[in-house]
Amino acid sequence: AIQMTQSPSSLSASVGDRVTITCRASQDIRNDLGWYQQKPGKAPNLLIYFASSLQSGVPSRFSGSGSGTDFTLTISSLQPEDFATYYCLQDYNFPLTFGGGTKVEIK
Amino acid sequence: QLQLQESGPGLVKPSETLSLTCTVSGGSISNNNYYWGWIRQPPGKGLEWLGNIYYSGNTYYNPSLKSRVTISVDTSKNQFSLRLTSVTAADTAVYYCARRPRHSSGWASFDYWGQGTLLTVSS
Repeated sequence: AIQMTQSPSSLSASVGDRVTITCRASQDIRNDLGWYQQKPGKAPNLLIYFASSLQSGVPSRFSGSGSGTDFTLTISSLQPEDFATYYCLQDYNFPLTFGGGTKVEIK
Repeated sequence: QLQLQESGPGLVKPSETLSLTCTVSGGSISNNNYYWGWIRQPPGKGLEWLGNIYYSGNTYYNPSLKSRVTISVDTSKNQFSLRLTSVTAADTAVYYCARRPRHSSGWASFDYWGQGTLLTVSS
């Protein structure tokens, strides 16, 4: 199975900060990667698919980049509602695998 | 607006079989542009993909579950189901059902999710 290594596992940031989260795949997954935001008690919400395509309804401060094995989720200006846990998901092949998550906390 | 809703017993005893159903409303499960999947999340932990099914019945499972998992579809009821045998405390989790769409460039990530249902394994 493809391993997805997500970093950092947690970070503290302030409103207005630029935040970057990375995911590294154990093998080439082309651009078959999605990013999710999850708030406590809620289902994950898709932010980005195909590594850089913004899901409908998602604010433009979220962006994704990368291909092959290295991927990045960037929040250009952190807002209060962005404090949550973020996960990457490789859907290049089965079994689909998630990164371990990054918890974004208030500094 | 598409909605997915999980339903299940909430509590299952160790060694028994877990059965969950996902009811899809606002869209047809028979649309050939979607896969339907199950994902779970143990309390305080990360996400684990369990398996996918196509409306035709084609399935893909996570090998980590070995032969314990079965996913089936009932197009007449617009539902798909998860069955997990020989459960242990390690299977305690919130179970989500979700839709995986096909775009022109291929199969994308799960875009619609149910709210999730907590299943506890305990005697």
